[in-house]
Amino acid sequence: DIQMTQSPSSLSASVGDRVTITCRASQSISSYLNWYQQKPGKAPKLLIYAASSLQSGVPSRFSGSGSGTDFTLTISSLQPEDFATYYCQQSYSTPPVTFGQGTRLEIK
Amino acid sequence: EVQLVESGGGLVQPGGSLRLSCAASGFTFSSYEMNWVRQAPGKGLEWVSYISSSGSTIYYADSVKGRFTISRDNAKNSLYLQMNSLRAEDTAVYYCARVGWYVSWYFDYWGQGTLVTVSS
Repeated sequence: DIQMTQSPSSLSASVGDRVTITCRASQSISSYLNWYQQKPGKAPKLLIYAASSLQSGVPSRFSGSGSGTDFTLTISSLQPEDFATYYCQQSYSTPPVTFGQGTRLEIK
Repeated sequence: EVQLVESGGGLVQPGGSLRLSCAASGFTFSSYEMNWVRQAPGKGLEWVSYISSSGSTIYYADSVKGRFTISRDNAKNSLYLQMNSLRAEDTAVYYCARVGWYVSWYFDYWGQGTLVTVSS
């Protein structure tokens, strides 16, 4: 099974900050990496697919990059509504589908 | 508008059974692969099961294999998860999620979730 490891596990930042979250796969997954945002009590929401493609309707301040084993999600200028938990997920080798453990983004 | 609405969650004793449903609308359900994903309280996302659009291909996570059964009724636009021999560690919010495809695949729509609590 492919293991996905996110860092950091939690992060404090301020509105307007540039934030980067990292996801590392235990083996190469090419660009088969998706990012989701989850707010408390809500379902996850797809942000980025195929490592760098922005899902329709997602603000352009979100971007993704990487290939192989190392990937990043960047929020260029944090907005109040961006404080949430973020998950990466690999779609290269399934089953099983595997997610990172999540990164909780909190207000400083 | 794509909608996925789960139901069937609740409190059940260890060893008991429960059947979850996911009602789909706003898209051609029979054309899409579907999954169940769960989230234990305060924990991360865990994939549970997959079913192909026709129902002919099915996968399970090792943690539920032999206890859970995924199925679908394309005529009723519905996805199901039959959960037997439930354990405390199955306590979670269960989401149904649609598979989208463009370049690669991903979960593009999720339901609001239904809470399953396994406790005596």
